[in-house]
Amino acid sequence: DTEVTQTPKHLVMGMTNKKSLKCEQHMGHRAMYWYKQKAKKPPELMFVYSYEKLSINESVPSRFSPECPNSSLLNLHLHALQPEDSALYLCASSQPRDRGHNEQFFGPGTRLTVL
Amino acid sequence: AQKITQTQPGMFVQEKEAVTLDCTYDTSDPSYGLFWYKQPSSGEMIFLIYQGSYDQQNATEGRYSLNFQKARKSANLVISASQLGDSAMYFCAMREGVNTGTASKLTFGTGTRLQVTL
Repeated sequence: DTEVTQTPKHLVMGMTNKKSLKCEQHMGHRAMYWYKQKAKKPPELMFVYSYEKLSINESVPSRFSPECPNSSLLNLHLHALQPEDSALYLCASSQPRDRGHNEQFFGPGTRLTVL
Repeated sequence: AQKITQTQPGMFVQEKEAVTLDCTYDTSDPSYGLFWYKQPSSGEMIFLIYQGSYDQQNATEGRYSLNFQKARKSANLVISASQLGDSAMYFCAMREGVNTGTASKLTFGTGTRLQVTL
């Protein structure tokens, strides 16, 4: 199984809502990532988990709260978002030990619209 | 300063022709990895090819090859025999410190949109 799945595919939420994005992989990878991608821009790293511990937070606002309940699951909890947070949110996974050919596998993304 | 530079915002190529997508990078780290990803309009980032800084030979994966010129700090992607399904955004990315034992952090270029025509 070489797949990263993300749910939901699309999400529309108001600025006062609380929602969560979910990411799952069964490749035995021990590093998982959240990226944010605005239209016509490259992905921007938000968070990295290595062995279920948060290892990188790229100064992301606290209205985004990541969670890694186990080695296969990664959640992104959303609260009080702003319209400018509307974007494609991509999840990825990889082996954390960087040895040679060790690419990140990406999921299909969640397209988030904040009204 | 930009770590990854892709100077071609858009490229056109005729079906069955070869095309080169440019990528230059900037790093002082002797250990690094270079990646190319394809992103169709559906949004998923698809890994295409990898080149390590210590690799002696240029990487190849099917119709994809990487023209790695270390002294010039360039890692151009060559797609041979283009197909209509190759139409997508292509991102070059770099990972520094490949042997740190930590989770990797990719820096992406701004991308090149490739359109394959009949």
